[in-house]
Amino acid sequence: DVKVTQSSRYLVKRTGEKVFLECVQDMDHENMFWYRQDPGLGLRLIYFSYDVKMKEKGDIPEGYSVSREKKERFSLILESASTNQTSMYLCASSLLASGGRSSYNEQFFGPGTRLTVL
Amino acid sequence: SQQGEEDPQALSIQEGENATMNCSYKTSINNLQWYRQNSGRGLVHLILIRSNEREKHSGRLRVTLDTSKKSSSLLITASRAADTASYFCATDRYSTLTFGKGTMLLVSP
Repeated sequence: DVKVTQSSRYLVKRTGEKVFLECVQDMDHENMFWYRQDPGLGLRLIYFSYDVKMKEKGDIPEGYSVSREKKERFSLILESASTNQTSMYLCASSLLASGGRSSYNEQFFGPGTRLTVL
Repeated sequence: SQQGEEDPQALSIQEGENATMNCSYKTSINNLQWYRQNSGRGLVHLILIRSNEREKHSGRLRVTLDTSKKSSSLLITASRAADTASYFCATDRYSTLTFGKGTMLLVSP
């Protein structure tokens, strides 16, 4: 079974802190994704990566950065946490489909990190 | 954006009844996927239907796709209390998926 793990289930940080959220997958997937989920807004894509050291902006990248130094690990970084970044953060991974169409394949999600910024 | 929109937002039924959730989207797609999320957890993939398919089954799940109406439905037959969760449809963009806001399903014993 594919396993996607996230470093913390719950995290409480202070405004202005630098926050690292880690995600690791064990199935050699090329693609990895970071989403945030907020009530009434659904899942929104922050960043994704389809290869080591590659990253692409999603729909809401402002205030975030990412790092993918190894294939199995994708980190989300909040450079200076703010209260409006309080949210559930979900990591996912998937295989790269032929022709580069990553969305042909299902995504496997981690359990989520509920981040509260005070 | 070709975000899928689920309908209804919330659904409450009794065990043993069928549950139907609908998804509408705006632009052409290559596939549509359904996911389930138990409270406070990550999403779990349920089923994928490609644009050239009209219906697909998996256990108690039945998914239909009508590309002319840009809509899909997810039917859960003989529902159980364990089916209580949020259900999301996701439509594909070239390299990512766009998720709807979900339908919250409550199945009472």
